[in-house]
Amino acid sequence: SQQGEEDPQALSIQEGENATMNCSYKTSINNLQWYRQNSGRGLVHLILIRSNEREKHSGRLRVTLDTSKKSSSLLITASRAADTASYFCATGLLTGGGNKLTFGTGTQLKVEL
Amino acid sequence: EAGVVQSPRYKIIEKKQPVAFWCNPISGHNTLYWYRQNLGQGPELLIRYENEEAVDDSQLPKDRFSAERLKGVDSTLKIQPAELGDSAVYLCASSLVYAEAFFGQGTRLTVV
Repeated sequence: SQQGEEDPQALSIQEGENATMNCSYKTSINNLQWYRQNSGRGLVHLILIRSNEREKHSGRLRVTLDTSKKSSSLLITASRAADTASYFCATGLLTGGGNKLTFGTGTQLKVEL
Repeated sequence: EAGVVQSPRYKIIEKKQPVAFWCNPISGHNTLYWYRQNLGQGPELLIRYENEEAVDDSQLPKDRFSAERLKGVDSTLKIQPAELGDSAVYLCASSLVYAEAFFGQGTRLTVV
C-alpha cells in the first residue's frame, strides 16, 4: 500500500528553472525522505527530514515538512538536464526497532535543454 | 565501500516455476528491506528485517512468497510458484537504524 501521494504526477520544465514537487501522506510519521530514480536504475537517497524539523537544505535541494497538513515539498533550484528522473517521497515510522519506509507514487520530472 | 548487491540483475522464467533473489546489504546495516516495484509506480514494501527478525511482512503474499535473512546479513526472497502478475523489479535496501536507506540495482523479473 502507498502512504504518500506526489503531486504533480509529471512535470516538464526548461533547464535553469526551479522544480517543485509535493507529497501528501495520511498517517503520523517520524521522518520523511526523498529519493531519485533514474530510468532503469536503483533509488538514490536525496534528503531526510525529521518530524520535528520544518526545513532542510542540501545543495540545490530544499525540503519542507508541515506535519499539521501532513505534507512535504521538494524544491530543486536551477534545474539541469541531469535532474531528469522520477522523484519519490517516503514516510518513515519508527516501529519494530527500526524505520518502516513507505513510498509514494512518484513525480516524473523532465528537464529540457 | 561496496553498496547493496543484488543478484541476478535479470531473470526470465515460465509461470509456475520457482525463482529466488539474493541480496547482500552494506556491512553493519541492521535494517534490510525488500520492495517490489511495478512500472510507473512507487516501490511497495514486501518485508523488513531488523537484524534477523522479520518485523514487517504484512504485504508479503505468504502463500507463494518467502524470505529469510540468515545471521542478520544476506537475505533471499523466493517465489514459488511464480505467476504472470509477479513480473516486476524487486529491490533490496539496507540502512542503519533510523537512517536513510541504500538501494541495490534491483532484479527485473519477467514471468512468461
